[in-house]
Amino acid sequence: DGGITQSPKYLFRKEGQNVTLSCEQNLNHDAMYWYRQDPGQGLRLIYYSQIVNDFQKGDIAEGYSVSREKKESFPLTVTSAQKNPTAFYLCASSSKLGTEAFFGQGTRLTVV
Amino acid sequence: KNEVEQSPQNLTAQEGEFITINCSYSVGISALHWLQQHPGGGIVSLFMLSSGKKKHGRLIATINIQEKHSSLHITASHPRDSAVYICAATSGTYKYIFGTGTRLKVLA
Repeated sequence: DGGITQSPKYLFRKEGQNVTLSCEQNLNHDAMYWYRQDPGQGLRLIYYSQIVNDFQKGDIAEGYSVSREKKESFPLTVTSAQKNPTAFYLCASSSKLGTEAFFGQGTRLTVV
Repeated sequence: KNEVEQSPQNLTAQEGEFITINCSYSVGISALHWLQQHPGGGIVSLFMLSSGKKKHGRLIATINIQEKHSSLHITASHPRDSAVYICAATSGTYKYIFGTGTRLKVLA
């Protein structure tokens, strides 16, 4: 089935460690996005990619990094520089930038 | 003040009730989206609309461009409708602007 797969569903990290969240899509979409969700707040954009080998910072990119080496994959690394990384992370894709987005199931990251 | 505001924040209904969730926005938009987030966290797109009204099953979404307001209606609500419903606006760029969501619980 076509869709977006995020893994893992739950992730625990010790303070000071980097961690990478996976996002894969088989929808042949050019654009991919990473969002962060915190209780009581709307989703906030971390990074987005319009096309392979290109990505841009969103509203809250500090402490995060991404890569887009393949069309299907857009991994997000939460670095030790992110001060408050505990959150729910959602990946999305769309056929082109700005068109209707399809979302993954999310990864819940907890820093212990 | 958020650019996309939803009300109510929380809503509890009895099975069978007619439910309305409201969304107001203060930005120019190219489309207004209604999304559903289930307890597991995944998000599903319900509607994307730029004018008028759309219907899918028991769900109806309307938008009034002049008043910058949209509503999501659920007819004959069911416990399986329990979820967080999120309104989001896009303005022709890459960016979705999300509301904070309405948590709906439908009791049997």
